[in-house]
Amino acid sequence: GAVVSQHPSRVICKSGTSVKIECRSLDFQATTMFWYRQFPKQSLMLMATSNEGSKATYEQGVEKDKFLINHASLTLSTLTVTSAHPEDSSFYICSARDKRGSGYEQFFGPGTRLTVL
Amino acid sequence: AQSVTQLGSHVSVSEGALVLLRCNYSSSVPPYLFWYVQYPNQGLQLLLKYTSAATLVKGINGFEAEFKKSETSFHLTKPSAHMSDAAEYFCAVSDRDDKIIFGKGTRLHILP
Repeated sequence: GAVVSQHPSRVICKSGTSVKIECRSLDFQATTMFWYRQFPKQSLMLMATSNEGSKATYEQGVEKDKFLINHASLTLSTLTVTSAHPEDSSFYICSARDKRGSGYEQFFGPGTRLTVL
Repeated sequence: AQSVTQLGSHVSVSEGALVLLRCNYSSSVPPYLFWYVQYPNQGLQLLLKYTSAATLVKGINGFEAEFKKSETSFHLTKPSAHMSDAAEYFCAVSDRDDKIIFGKGTRLHILP
């Protein structure tokens, strides 16, 4: 149980285009999902917290107009990187918290490698 | 605000030897503490978690960690390292507002 998937696993795009990444909780309902980015050989940095049916809460320094987050259902959150640039190239990881609450544990997706040319 | 410090960005141990990965935390409230493992180009897998129950927490793959409030530590150990344990390990803390703060990670190398 508690499986989180991400799609796509890898994406390469040209500078200036937009990219959408999906995060799904496969076998549980997630009222809260989180988006992280990880640069090579670095730790995960929380970008935003996404609550179903409401606006995402962004961490300081994260541009909400650049990283659009939608959490339209209890099993799906999307992150859209708008007008992507090479500096947006990173590993993006989502996580989901079980609606039933299990000690504040988050279940992580396998990540999406974004490369912007 | 809570934070996590992992001592040693790289740790090397011989196969069969004790694994010890150090983690110290800072939190203004009783914390939840986690250890995650990450293999290359993959997401994070939870090894174990401390949620204010037993101070000695046993996890998957033979790992365990002990919560020591007096030392604000949550070190990860495994009695005998296997080659398959080579990975990046992250210690993390949550102060119950849903956010998890990660340490910078420790790369574990297993020497044959």
